[in-house]
Amino acid sequence: DADVTQTPRNRITKTGKRIMLECSQTKGHDRMYWYRQDPGLGLRLIYYSFDVKDINKGEISDGYSVSRQAQAKFSLSLESAIPNQTALYFCATSDGSRTGTYEQYFGPGTRLTVT
Amino acid sequence: SQKIEQNSEALNIQEGKTATLTCNYTNYSPAYLQWYRQDPGRGPVFLLLIRENEKEKRKERLKVTFDTTLKQSLFHITASQPADSATYLCALDLSGTYKYIFGTGTRLKVLA
Repeated sequence: DADVTQTPRNRITKTGKRIMLECSQTKGHDRMYWYRQDPGLGLRLIYYSFDVKDINKGEISDGYSVSRQAQAKFSLSLESAIPNQTALYFCATSDGSRTGTYEQYFGPGTRLTVT
Repeated sequence: SQKIEQNSEALNIQEGKTATLTCNYTNYSPAYLQWYRQDPGRGPVFLLLIRENEKEKRKERLKVTFDTTLKQSLFHITASQPADSATYLCALDLSGTYKYIFGTGTRLKVLA
């Protein structure tokens, strides 16, 4: 089974709808991240969380919210979706505290289309 | 403002040759730099990390250099193979924050 899973993998929704993207990990990592990827713009950080009680905004958090329900689960919500939120969304985890490594493990991505 | 630049143009290279990809940055003092591989429609996969006090790092056919004076990292794939065709991303940490800034990536195509 994959270490980092994302659901749904693909989603088409209409402008104004609320949508939630979910991320689960079995790696036991404390740190979790949400990115979006757009052609020509690369990966941009939306939100990140270093533990269940620590949630921080990234560079493009407007229009998004998150919830860290447990160490293993980190959800991203679009309260009222708009077309320019059409993108590929990735969840990632890392564990730099215990092992001294800083690599990020990415999920398979969610392709979101807002019409 | 902080900025990372990777060659946005695709790099085509003949099989067996060495591919060299560049990552330049400004207004950063990263403690380390990472390289990732991304295949179409998939999440990035970690390849190598190099720290600010390291000049070079190797892993199998991969080699990364890090010049903090030039603010540049070079990523080399020796004896390239068609299976190496992918987009390669560099990422820098925002010192001490465990947040990362990614470049836009360079698409590599290895021709058989």
